Amino acid sequence: QQQVKQSPQSLIVQKGGISIINCAYENTAFDYFPWYQQFPGKGPALLIAIRPDVSEKKEGRFTISFNKSAKQFSLHIMDSQPGDSATYFCAASSSSGASKLTFGTGTRLQVTL
Amino acid sequence: DGGITQSPKYLFRKEGQNVTLSCEQNLNHDAMYWYRQDPGQGLRLIYYSQIVNDFQKGDIAEGYSVSREKKESFPLTVTSAQKNPTAFYLCASSPRGEKLFFGSGTQLSVL
Repeated sequence: QQQVKQSPQSLIVQKGGISIINCAYENTAFDYFPWYQQFPGKGPALLIAIRPDVSEKKEGRFTISFNKSAKQFSLHIMDSQPGDSATYFCAASSSSGASKLTFGTGTRLQVTL
Repeated sequence: DGGITQSPKYLFRKEGQNVTLSCEQNLNHDAMYWYRQDPGQGLRLIYYSQIVNDFQKGDIAEGYSVSREKKESFPLTVTSAQKNPTAFYLCASSPRGEKLFFGSGTQLSVL
């Protein structure tokens, strides 16, 4: 079964620190790796995404690092802020599109003052 | 104001009752999806539809049914056959591609 394993389940980071969330996948056909951010009582929203032709993608304080040989990718949140407190989901799919997105189990991030 | 509207925000189901969750989008997206979210289990795909009058089962379709009579609408019925319906239900849409746009969800609970 296609799986995406996400860790940790929860994370507490001080304001200004770096938050790191990791995901690992098994299916080598996966070629699209998005991260979604979800606030309580809301639907997830796309945060950042990467394809395996690059090893890193940065958008503001958010960076995806991708290791194709290890079949792992991670989200780094630099200078973490209390407003970043949310649940983060990694996901992966092959070229067949969003209908085949497989989600990780989520990481609840809390950024403390 | 474009987006995806899910209603109601909270819904309660009695034993043996079918309930329908509404999902409407004005983004002109072709594809629509229903996901179920349980604590610690991520998002699991229930049904999806890529065009009007056509839909496919996802990973956990048993006990659910859908219709897609209009491009804008993709209602989900939770039938009495779904024995563990308590969950947060998310509707999403996407243009031709991978990016999903989610609604704000419906929390379904059993009385």
